[in-house]
Amino acid sequence: AQKVTQAQTEISVVEKEDVTLDCVYETRDTTYYLFWYKQPPSGELVFLIRRNSFDEQNEISGRYSWNFQKSTSSFNFTITASQVVDSAVYFCALSEAWISNFGNEKLTFGTGTRLTIIP
Amino acid sequence: SQTIHQWPATLVQPVGSPLSLECTVEGTSNPNLYWYRQAAGRGLQLLFYSVGIGQISSEVPQNLSASRPQDRQFILSSKKLLLSDSGFYLCAWGPRTATEAFFGQGTRLTVV
Repeated sequence: AQKVTQAQTEISVVEKEDVTLDCVYETRDTTYYLFWYKQPPSGELVFLIRRNSFDEQNEISGRYSWNFQKSTSSFNFTITASQVVDSAVYFCALSEAWISNFGNEKLTFGTGTRLTIIP
Repeated sequence: SQTIHQWPATLVQPVGSPLSLECTVEGTSNPNLYWYRQAAGRGLQLLFYSVGIGQISSEVPQNLSASRPQDRQFILSSKKLLLSDSGFYLCAWGPRTATEAFFGQGTRLTVV
């Protein structure tokens, strides 16, 4: 069975500090996908990134960066020079590979990390 | 571009009353559709998914049901709500040949 653990329930940092959100996953699949979503106070989940299990290259997008390490089953998310607009709940998620005739996307979510950026 | 609409945004219903939440997707065809529930302080739990009209799979036993009467319409229903049905419900769609899921704005349901 798949499982995603986000051990940090809440994090608060002062604006402009860097912050890393941890994500550890469990899966028996050799092919899988990892995701990060942002949930601002409005409630909608905003897709941030998808990585497949064969691509361990770290990715940077502006102030956001992701560190994928299969050896430790982790997919951590770092925000550099944090801003108040980064305040949100962040979810890490895992999905099985596309395997069936129809295929389906069944995301297993972590419990989320509430990030508060203090002005 | 694709968009997903979900309504209502908030809903307060008495115990025992029926429920109908609707979700529609625009700008794509034959999407995979999903209903998730987010209980307070917890992650998201997949309730139902659909790969086509009339094809519904349930992930967890519950008081809810789902239907897909049209390709881009997904409905979450209940005949009699329970207090435990309170939560934040999110509809999502995903392209048939990809793995992302894109979410609607959610419905906050409070059963009183």
